[in-house]
Order: sequence, then structure tokens, then C-alpha cells
Amino acid sequence: QSALTQPPSASGSPGQSVTISCTGTSSDVGGYNYVSWYQQHPGKAPKLMIYEVSKRPSGVPDRFSGSKSGNTASLTVSGLQAEDEADYYCSSYAGTNSLFGTGTKVTVL
Amino acid sequence: QVQLVQSGAEVKRPGSSVKVSCKASGVTFSNYIISWVRQAPGQGLEWMGRIIPLLGIANYAQNFQSRVTITADKSASTAYMELTSLTSEDTAVYYCAGDPRSVVNAFDPWGQGTLVTVSS
Repeated sequence: QSALTQPPSASGSPGQSVTISCTGTSSDVGGYNYVSWYQQHPGKAPKLMIYEVSKRPSGVPDRFSGSKSGNTASLTVSGLQAEDEADYYCSSYAGTNSLFGTGTKVTVL
Repeated sequence: QVQLVQSGAEVKRPGSSVKVSCKASGVTFSNYIISWVRQAPGQGLEWMGRIIPLLGIANYAQNFQSRVTITADKSASTAYMELTSLTSEDTAVYYCAGDPRSVVNAFDPWGQGTLVTVSS
């Protein structure tokens, strides 16, 4: 099974919105509502931002939202802030396995 | 406070094996599924496999099927990941991550990571 496909980079100015896509297949993203998103700052462990496509864990700002259509999931960060600059990874359940996306570097201009 | 604490950095020779531990505290170990995820330098995250400690059942990513073994000691609230036949391409930070049994594919918390360096 291959990694899920994400754009390598995305950027926006403070206050703007950025949306990251995560494309898989009907065997993973399209087959289950078990997509999650992770934020990773350099040298740190990943942090869960979204689970089950659109749910936010306690403590994650509501500027972060998730959605899914067919085999593609999306993460939107609204009202960009400097601290949102990081790498973002999607993940999907795929039956007995899990898959991660290729990762997207978000730059706040 | 929920925590996963991993064992320290390792330096290994090509062809050898490494075993990394992941101890849970502040949680009921049996309520979690423990996954192992690795990240090579400058690269993305790669899921390796998971174990359900309550049942002792593990499953593995196809890429690692023949080289990885994930186990758990419920009495010690600790999971282990052993990787054999190491090559330089296995140099990476290895993370354990908890996945509450009440949800699916939601990795939280994460361990601090263990750097494994494979070098002759």
C-alpha cells in the first residue's frame, strides 16, 4: 500500500486560510471515516489535530477543521497564525493497516 | 497525565537488530492500541504496525512484515518493537503512539521518539 498523496507545500499570510488535501483510494480514505491529521514542528513528536474526518480533540483551536469527499480528505486552517507553521500529515485507516500521507509543509508568509 | 515514555537512542551495526520500548503511564494500558511509526531524517511518517495489548494481537505494514515484531507486557504497561536485519535505510526516529480503543486511527498520545542510527 502506498502513502496517501499530499501537496508538498502550502502557504498563506497571517489571518488567511490554507487548505491541504489528502488523496487516497476507496480502500482507505474513501472506505472509512477514520481520517486523522497531525501537526509536527521541527524536532517534535506529531500532535493530533483532527480525528474521524472532522472531530477536534480537546485543546485544538476551532481554526482547524476537516472534511472528506470521496477518496480525498482536507484540512483547513483558518485565521493563520505564526505558530501554525509546521508540517502536516494525514492518516487513514485501511482495514488492518494505517497509512500516512506524504506530508505538507505549511509556511506562514 | 497520559504519557508514553520510550527507551533511549541506539546505535546499531548493519545486519543487527534493535528493540525499542514504550512505557505507558496515566492511562489504562488495556484501553489503548499501540502503534509504531518511524520517520527517517527529513522524511515523512511511516506506519509500521500495531498491537492490541488486551488481546496480544499484532498486525504489520506490508513493508515490514518479515522484519518487525511488536509485543506488549500488560503487567508492565509496556510495548516493544523489534526490527531485525537492519540497514542504513532503517536510520530513523521511531515513535510509539496510543490509539484509544474507543476511536479508530487517532494517534494520541505519542512517545518522545527514539533515534536509531544504523552505521558500520
